[in-house]
Amino acid sequence: GAVVSQHPSWVICKSGTSVKIECRSLDFQATTMFWYRQFPKQSLMLMATSNEGSKATYEQGVEKDKFLINHASLTLSTLTVTSAHPEDSSFYICSARMAPNTEAFFGQGTRLTVV
Amino acid sequence: AQSVTQPDIHITVSEGASLELRCNYSYGATPYLFWYVQSPGQGLQLLLKYFSGDTLVQGIKGFEAEFKRSQSSFNLRKPSVHWSDAAEYFCAVGGTGGFKTIFGAGTRLFVKA
Repeated sequence: GAVVSQHPSWVICKSGTSVKIECRSLDFQATTMFWYRQFPKQSLMLMATSNEGSKATYEQGVEKDKFLINHASLTLSTLTVTSAHPEDSSFYICSARMAPNTEAFFGQGTRLTVV
Repeated sequence: AQSVTQPDIHITVSEGASLELRCNYSYGATPYLFWYVQSPGQGLQLLLKYFSGDTLVQGIKGFEAEFKRSQSSFNLRKPSVHWSDAAEYFCAVGGTGGFKTIFGAGTRLFVKA
């Protein structure tokens, strides 16, 4: 199956700094990528949907200015958590899809801890 | 609006016993349905998916699921559970036209010896 890689797998940062998480589709071109957030022992909550070359569509309640999403190419999307705070600590997972009506493939996730 | 309900927060099954995890969905058209498994601190692994055709879907690791349109359900089953099956299981629904995938709350499976 198709492979989606996230980097880094885990990151610790100081409060107030920004962190960038990368999501790459390694063997296919992803027209759409999705970013999810998962709190401990909870389900995945969709944060935003990004289509290559256009602005991301954010879910209700997700701060656009805090979670910056860029999908500049068909194989790379990035999520930047700006001015991170301890409450942003979470597990962030991306998924990528080749086209509508096709399966989305998930990355292995990034554990963010803000101290 | 799309929604997914997994009624059981956690289930405990004896090793070797059969398993059924419940999933009900709400979607206005023909849904795409998925079951994923997640081990602690890990990403998601797709167990199986239903897009169309045969309503009984076979997946990896001996899992299967049956799509029942009349009941809006997509329950996951396994005839004999192994200790290594202990994990969190998520049911998800997506749709045509590029709709996003929505996840249920998850069911934590515990396996006792």
